[in-house]
Amino acid sequence: AQSVAQPEDQVNVAEGNPLTVKCTYSVSGNPYLFWYVQYPNRGLQFLLKYITGDNLVKGSYGFEAEFNKSQTSFHLKKPSALVSDSALYFCAVRDSSASLGTYKYIFGTGTRLKVLA
Amino acid sequence: ETGVTQSPTHLIKTRGQQVTLRCSSQSGHNTVSWYQQALGQGPQFIFQYYREEENGRGNFPPRFSGLQFPNYSSELNVNALELDDSALYLCASSFWAGDGTDTQYFGPGTRLTVL
Repeated sequence: AQSVAQPEDQVNVAEGNPLTVKCTYSVSGNPYLFWYVQYPNRGLQFLLKYITGDNLVKGSYGFEAEFNKSQTSFHLKKPSALVSDSALYFCAVRDSSASLGTYKYIFGTGTRLKVLA
Repeated sequence: ETGVTQSPTHLIKTRGQQVTLRCSSQSGHNTVSWYQQALGQGPQFIFQYYREEENGRGNFPPRFSGLQFPNYSSELNVNALELDDSALYLCASSFWAGDGTDTQYFGPGTRLTVL
């Protein structure tokens, strides 16, 4: 079965410093991976996805993610953190039921990012 | 381009009652998925609708049911509410291209509290 793991419940980083939010995955077949951000009392906002191609994926708000097949990881990164980046971040993998063509997402448990001024 | 909208924002019900949550898909999207997000957890897949038919279901009992309408809006119905149904319910829409590369865009959610 497909799964993702986010090993850190919380990440603290000083404003202006680079940030990394970790995600590892377990899939059969080619991985389709996603990052979403959730602000308080809000739904999930799409940041970026990896389907195929370059291992470095660029997304919204200056975020990028590095796909590493040998380490089965898809870490989210940003060169310079902002206080406004403080939120809950979710990694997700696409699971598929070939017989139904259903493409549901399986989410990690989330990592709370705190950017300190 | 209109994003995914959901109503109501908040809802309080008592055990045993029934509830209907509504979702309007993003313009141009033909697939709707529903997720349940319990406090402190990641979203869990409930089911997906495509062309007005249920296209897949997660590990949720039959008292969770849904509809998709010709305009691609959707409803989630939950019967015989239980305390554990208290959660944020998220609707996501996408344009299903058949190869799984579509991106799901989420609405703001409906916070359901069951007392």
